[in-house]
Amino acid sequence: NAGVTQTPKFQVLKTGQSMTLQCAQDMNHEYMSWYRQDPGMGLRLIHYSVGAGITDQGEVPNGYNVSRSTTEDFPLRLLSAAPSQTSVYFCASSPWGSPNNEQFFGPGTRLTVL
Amino acid sequence: SQKIEQNSEALNIQEGKTATLTCNYTNYSPAYLQWYRQDPGRGPVFLLLIRENEKEKRKERLKVTFDTTLKQSLFHITASQPADSATYLCAHQPDSGNTPLVFGKGTRLSVIA
Repeated sequence: NAGVTQTPKFQVLKTGQSMTLQCAQDMNHEYMSWYRQDPGMGLRLIHYSVGAGITDQGEVPNGYNVSRSTTEDFPLRLLSAAPSQTSVYFCASSPWGSPNNEQFFGPGTRLTVL
Repeated sequence: SQKIEQNSEALNIQEGKTATLTCNYTNYSPAYLQWYRQDPGRGPVFLLLIRENEKEKRKERLKVTFDTTLKQSLFHITASQPADSATYLCAHQPDSGNTPLVFGKGTRLSVIA
């Protein structure tokens, strides 16, 4: 199993550009989520999904859209990038009903918005 | 709202000593607390979970305690090694479902040889 994969690893955008961060998992996990990590702020939840077709907002959803058309994929869209969205983005997945609810994280995408 | 706080941003200890990291929470006791390790440039990796009705959980050189009276979880690494140097995150989950985790800001541990 590849686990949780994220692409790209690095990205530089100009203010106002749009892009999609890709996240995929091959563990058949129901639950997927997106976090951003900033120095001194820790991991903050952006959006999450408890299964295909179901998404919900986390702590910092503004400026981001998600969709979950399949169990495997959970892309994060930035519609109009802003410098405040410069961050490291992590995707995570977890099996529904797991007694540990252990989160499996991807390697991250480092995004810079100029 | 519920908060998870890791009071120490950084902790330096000598190799061979026991490292103790603290995670405090406000308000209500979470059903679970999880601990993760994060190395630079990588995603967090799950280490241990402790339930609110458990006082202690062990895994090799790791030990986690949960004190609902103090509203605190302690994470211990015994016989610490330089390879244990990393950032350790605690995360709170308010109930037994798949509700989103809320993470503390982490404690950066440096084990000095």
